[in-house]
Amino acid sequence: DQQVKQNSPSLSVQEGRISILNCDYTNSMFDYFLWYKKYPAEGPTFLISISSIKDKNEDGRFTVFLNKSAKHLSLHIVPSQPGDSAVYFCAASANFGNEKLTFGTGTRLTIIP
Amino acid sequence: DAGVIQSPRHEVTEMGQEVTLRCKPISGHDYLFWYRQTMMRGLELLIYFNNNVPIDDSGMPEDRFSAKMPNASFSTLKIQPSEPRDSAVYFCASRPQVGTSGKVEQFFGPGTRLTVL
Repeated sequence: DQQVKQNSPSLSVQEGRISILNCDYTNSMFDYFLWYKKYPAEGPTFLISISSIKDKNEDGRFTVFLNKSAKHLSLHIVPSQPGDSAVYFCAASANFGNEKLTFGTGTRLTIIP
Repeated sequence: DAGVIQSPRHEVTEMGQEVTLRCKPISGHDYLFWYRQTMMRGLELLIYFNNNVPIDDSGMPEDRFSAKMPNASFSTLKIQPSEPRDSAVYFCASRPQVGTSGKVEQFFGPGTRLTVL
């Protein structure tokens, strides 16, 4: 039972355009969400997070949007750069992050120069 | 800080052999997590520890898997006997207490790629 779903295994975007990665969750107890980025042969690294008390969090080129009613979040990267090519994992936690993280299956983003 | 350290980085073994994966968390981190990454299931949490005590091992696939944390700076994940379906990348991650640090994110090691023939 996949509680966190990333339905797009891969995404290709032209350099300079916006990349939008999507994530859906089913557990209504989740109240904290994170995005991780993973390069080949490396561990995932934290990118950005959002608490359920907000609907948007921005950090430079990265913005995460949360729609609690739809149990949906998205990561926007603008403008996209070649170094953004990686696998992106969405993760969710209950109790404002004090519980374990549940990860999605990841989306492979490829930025086309 | 050196970050989370895992060894070995690669392990190739034959079915039926015992495999031991090792992890050194970031100093001062109270939580340690073991994950397995596969194409089909993404990153699955196997087990996690708080202050060296196992808190949730519901993700451990079966009795062939065991994990220990004898002290704050070392943990092992053991598979005995190993099977080809155990082939995956295994990650260790750590984080401090959320209350004192304000940080929720976990810090991952580079992973161990396990191949069981």
